[in-house]
Amino acid sequence: SAVISQKPSRDICQRGTSLTIQCQVDSQVTMMFWYRQQPGQSLTLIATANQGSEATYESGFVIDKFPISRPNLTFSTLTVSNMSPEDSSIYLCSVAGGQGETYEQYFGPGTRLTVT
Amino acid sequence: GQNIDQPTEMTATEGAIVQINCTYQTSGFNGLFWYQQHAGEAPTFLSYNVLDGLEEKGRFSSFLSRSKGYSYLLLKELQMKDSASYLCAVVDSNYQLIWGAGTKLIIKP
Repeated sequence: SAVISQKPSRDICQRGTSLTIQCQVDSQVTMMFWYRQQPGQSLTLIATANQGSEATYESGFVIDKFPISRPNLTFSTLTVSNMSPEDSSIYLCSVAGGQGETYEQYFGPGTRLTVT
Repeated sequence: GQNIDQPTEMTATEGAIVQINCTYQTSGFNGLFWYQQHAGEAPTFLSYNVLDGLEEKGRFSSFLSRSKGYSYLLLKELQMKDSASYLCAVVDSNYQLIWGAGTKLIIKP
């Protein structure tokens, strides 16, 4: 399975600021995803990061608030913009081989964000 | 709409067997995953079922019945380190993962 790293592992930010989270994979992958997980809750998909085109956002998530980049097949960033305390959560990057290969997703270690 | 149901919490005794159920209603079906997530850590892949029947992998087994929209994860010879949340997820017709809320498993000595 792919080895996935995320930076930063945790951060404490002030409301109104922005934080960019990086996700790096040690091999090329077809699919990259960004999730949010509130304490004690399951995973909520924010968006699918598409290489070379705009990310595909899930209902309730918009590009202005969560801009995503994916410049190549091994790297993606998620920015949490104009943060509020409600954005405090764990943000997880995951990767998958894609259609016709395997759908299982492998997760990065997560970024624990606290907004004060 | 799409729906995945699993119990919120279960308790079992060390050395025993526990079965965690998952029922689903999704637009299409391209397989079902079970993930384990320890507190404060990322989910890790346990199993993938796409055909009916039982898949065994060591102390863990996963069962699928597509006609019933039902799966279970069976954990044998429970160990304290098995205390974690277990997430059921279904691949829908768009090849997206639909996640259940997870079952928190508490193991007691």
